[in-house]
Amino acid sequence: QSLLTQPPSVSGAPGQRVTISCTGSSSNIGAGFDVHWYQQLPGTAPKLLMYGNNNRPSGLPDRFSGSKSGTSASLAITGLQAEDEADYYCQSYDSSLSGVVFGGGTKLTVL
Amino acid sequence: QVQLLQSGAEVERPGASVKVSCKASGYTFTTYYIHWVRQAPGQGLEWMGVINPSGGSTKYAQKLQGRVTMTRDTSTSTVYMELSSLRSEDTAVYYCARAIGSTSYNWFDPWGQGTLVTVSS
Repeated sequence: QSLLTQPPSVSGAPGQRVTISCTGSSSNIGAGFDVHWYQQLPGTAPKLLMYGNNNRPSGLPDRFSGSKSGTSASLAITGLQAEDEADYYCQSYDSSLSGVVFGGGTKLTVL
Repeated sequence: QVQLLQSGAEVERPGASVKVSCKASGYTFTTYYIHWVRQAPGQGLEWMGVINPSGGSTKYAQKLQGRVTMTRDTSTSTVYMELSSLRSEDTAVYYCARAIGSTSYNWFDPWGQGTLVTVSS
């Protein structure tokens, strides 16, 4: 059971907007630790998508955005494209575990 | 460019040990911590621990304490992750990843390509 909870799956049609939530607690997101997001295409290693809650690595299109509030964070993808179909993971730090924690992952399907 | 290159797939018997390597290039090896993350088939990501390539200090996930050991060789810019007393539940792809940012606010970039470890009798 992950300390960060994500929906197992989300879906949307091309061009639409989808959001993926990441819900934590007072020992991780709620304690002020940053949330980071990764995209994992089938059969490949995870790739950094968003860092420090809402910062995009250079080269990443602005269709991707992140936010954080209280004990939760969200990743939004607008103008959905077929190439966005992947698994998405949130990551933070947990003070009770004194270690890194990941969400369980969300599979995005582009209809 | 910054790259982490991992060793190849391994097949081990239950009870055995496995050692996976992760060779860094394209940056100053001792400047960034390296974390290990594993992913069981069809499952999510699980953090295993971290090593400071500069001094060699480590911190391991509580679940793996006593079975995992992370070391480094600064002469070859390589970190190693050894997991002992293997069981079938350890079958997974093992990733190394470079940590960016301050300790409790780390994010990972880049990741190694992954090493499949299969535990089977």
